[in-house]
Amino acid sequence: GQSLEQPSEVTAVEGAIVQINCTYQTSGFYGLSWYQQHDGGAPTFLSYNALDGLEETGRFSSFLSRSDSYGYLLLQELQMKDSASYFCALGGKSTFGDGTTLTVKP
Amino acid sequence: NAGVTQTPKFQVLKTGQSMTLQCAQDMNHEYMSWYRQDPGMGLRLIHYSVGAGITDQGEVPNGYNVSRSTTEDFPLRLLSAAPSQTSVYFCASSWTGQDTQYFGPGTRLTVL
Repeated sequence: GQSLEQPSEVTAVEGAIVQINCTYQTSGFYGLSWYQQHDGGAPTFLSYNALDGLEETGRFSSFLSRSDSYGYLLLQELQMKDSASYFCALGGKSTFGDGTTLTVKP
Repeated sequence: NAGVTQTPKFQVLKTGQSMTLQCAQDMNHEYMSWYRQDPGMGLRLIHYSVGAGITDQGEVPNGYNVSRSTTEDFPLRLLSAAPSQTSVYFCASSWTGQDTQYFGPGTRLTVL
């Protein structure tokens, strides 16, 4: 099967940089995705890594190391609106982690 | 484009009742899926479909049925509702299932 682990909570201040880690176990790898979900809302896609390395999309970047079964989401220049839950997810059987709640403080 | 739409937004059922959650997408995506999300948890895959006429079970399929007669629609049926099925249900679609998934707004279901 597939499983993912990520921290349950992260707190940072406005303007800072925060990294959300994700480790995973899977027998077959079909990519690692990241989604953002605001309270009461639907998940929205942020980033996807199929190969090792860094993918950058504006203030958000995602990194993958397949040899370490590890990835992270990097959020730069944090804004209050970035307060949300962030999920890593494996392709294949579409398995999601339990999410990391990010709180951005002024 | 409306994207992925779901109806109803809210629903309250009594134990033993049946109902169908509707999901539709207008992006011509082949892959559609249903998830449930319990408080403080991630999304768990219930059923998915790789195209019209083809469905398969996900991680938590018991108590749910699906069918896919058209590319656009992917309804989820609760056969006999139980309190354990109280959750938020999200429908999603994508081209291949390995790429970006687009989620509907969700259906908040309470089973009494």
